[in-house]
Amino acid sequence: EAQVTQNPRYLITVTGKKLTVTCSQNMNHEYMSWYRQDPGLGLRQIYYSMNVEVTDKGDVPEGYKVSRKEKRNFPLILESPSPNQTSLYFCASSFLAGTSGRAYEQYFGPGTRLTVT
Amino acid sequence: KNQVEQSPQSLIILEGKNCTLQCNYTVSPFSNLRWYKQDTGRGPVSLTIMTFSENTKSNGRYTATLDADTKQSSLHITASQLSDSASYICVVEGNYGQNFVFGPGTRLSVLP
Repeated sequence: EAQVTQNPRYLITVTGKKLTVTCSQNMNHEYMSWYRQDPGLGLRQIYYSMNVEVTDKGDVPEGYKVSRKEKRNFPLILESPSPNQTSLYFCASSFLAGTSGRAYEQYFGPGTRLTVT
Repeated sequence: KNQVEQSPQSLIILEGKNCTLQCNYTVSPFSNLRWYKQDTGRGPVSLTIMTFSENTKSNGRYTATLDADTKQSSLHITASQLSDSASYICVVEGNYGQNFVFGPGTRLSVLP
């Protein structure tokens, strides 16, 4: 089954304790992205990657790191989590439009609800 | 500033009725406009994607329209069902892959 998986689905942690949220896709997509969703603000892009070893900042990258060592995996790292990073996080993937200009559907994972106390 | 606005913020309709959701955007450059359905606590699911040259696109009972001149889009839902209760999110992609701007969503409740 084609899917994007995230782990863990729920996480409660304390300020300053490093954590990693994993994201994996089995559709051979070049493009992967992380978003956070907060009430009243909609989804905001944190980081994205257009291929292996290629990552770039989105709109709200502060306090986050990512890596793309393999095509299928795109982990999100919080080196020193703070309470303002309490949020619902989504990973997504898609094929890359490239020069064709065609727009491809983004597939979202089930979400990770993070609480930082 | 790149922005996507949606209206109404929330909407309640009776099962079987039609409804239309609105989206206005000020994103530039413009690559495409997407509508997503998001059930509570789950990831968004794509409904339609339209490039600037497409005026309308349908997906079952969902029909999206796009007016690239006025930078407006609408999502029309026909013969609503209880399962249509969800948030509907309008998203504009600026530069391919580099810039997705999400609207705040419209919360739709379909009552029996």
